[in-house]
Amino acid sequence: LAKTTQPISMDSYEGQEVNITCSHNNIATNDYITWYQQFPSQGPRFIIQGYKTKVTNEVASLFIPADRKSSTLSLPRVSLSDTAVYYCLPPGYQKVTFGIGTKLQVIP
Amino acid sequence: EAGVAQSPRYKIIEKRQSVAFWCNPISGHATLYWYQQILGQGPKLLIQFQNNGVVDDSQLPKDRFSAERLKGVDSTLKIQPAKLEDSAVYLCASSLDRQRANEKLFFGSGTQLSVL
Repeated sequence: LAKTTQPISMDSYEGQEVNITCSHNNIATNDYITWYQQFPSQGPRFIIQGYKTKVTNEVASLFIPADRKSSTLSLPRVSLSDTAVYYCLPPGYQKVTFGIGTKLQVIP
Repeated sequence: EAGVAQSPRYKIIEKRQSVAFWCNPISGHATLYWYQQILGQGPKLLIQFQNNGVVDDSQLPKDRFSAERLKGVDSTLKIQPAKLEDSAVYLCASSLDRQRANEKLFFGSGTQLSVL
């Protein structure tokens, strides 16, 4: 399994753009990197997934550089409802553990 | 589209008692996972099914935990006897197929277990 590193926690004010970077190695060429969001008292929820360059959906953007040794989840103009834990999952990780993730606290 | 259904939502038992959790995955999803999430940690895989067969149960404490997925649809996870350290949220997730490169997991809301 690829080893991953992401910040344990981040704070942001409402309306700001938040970028959460996850470092990972040993990612195969066609492996997807998936990000999940988890609110208190709920199961994780799929946010976005990609394997190269940039992917954007209605919730977030995902940037993956050419060397694929990291990925950055970008949340535009966060609101209080974006307060959650965000997990970066390279391939195979869902079959072991999600790790601690990044706890994002949005401040009014 | 209906999501992953889990019950009960909450369960309080005393140590050494037995407990069972139920999961109904999204229709058509071949792969089903059970995770344990202890407060402050991420979900940890307990067991993975592909249809009605076990793919991976290497992290399942088999002396007290058991799980089955009859007919490749619903699944139950049982703990017998429960210990204090089993207090956690038990999450069920399903996906179309674990072998897809872009596998996406869909989670239920979980069962919060408190062992007193």
